[in-house]
Amino acid sequence: QKEVEQNSGPLSVPEGAIASLNCTYSDRGSQSFFWYRQYSGKSPELIMFIYSNGDKEDGRFTAQLNKASQYVSLLIRDSQPSDSATYLCAVNKAAGNKLTFGGGTRVLVKP
Amino acid sequence: GAVVSQHPSRVICKSGTSVKIECRSLDFQATTMFWYRQFPKQSLMLMATSNEGSKATYEQGVEKDKFLINHASLTLSTLTVTSAHPEDSSFYICAGGEHNEKLFFGSGTQLSVL
Repeated sequence: QKEVEQNSGPLSVPEGAIASLNCTYSDRGSQSFFWYRQYSGKSPELIMFIYSNGDKEDGRFTAQLNKASQYVSLLIRDSQPSDSATYLCAVNKAAGNKLTFGGGTRVLVKP
Repeated sequence: GAVVSQHPSRVICKSGTSVKIECRSLDFQATTMFWYRQFPKQSLMLMATSNEGSKATYEQGVEKDKFLINHASLTLSTLTVTSAHPEDSSFYICAGGEHNEKLFFGSGTQLSVL
């Protein structure tokens, strides 16, 4: 079992709809959770982070964390073509910022 | 967020040569920097953790004599790919962050070895 798992996609979403991305992790002791967006040929860009159970909203993005079920999700509301990218889930198991990344989910937003 | 500057952005070299990639933290002091490698359509794989003033910590399967890491100051970490071969062609990305929390990435270096 991979430490951090994501559906590779592609997740095809109509413009204006909600994109829902899921990520599961294996280490129950994981403490911090991050979502990065990566455009083709570019480096990852941090878009959300969450530490506590529940929801965290930032603009069109909402991160949801459920430590009991060991999953973290990302919702993108009012999806735009510019949201088309690969979204990487990352988990920090301990203090310090050594992250373990999932394989990424490719999102395609169609006009 | 923290700014991490990485260069060169792209390098093409002949097989057998060495290539140095620099990573600078511009607005924070980086006691730790991380070096990742990413092959096409694959996720990021951590190669090593660079520690200021001490030896780097390499992940399992990464040859420390081939991927030399130097972290001589709080703002600069370098990765040197020695005797590069075509199989070393990849996207190399450094990352760092202050307060041991969020990680910010450099712009990446696309290495092509002919």
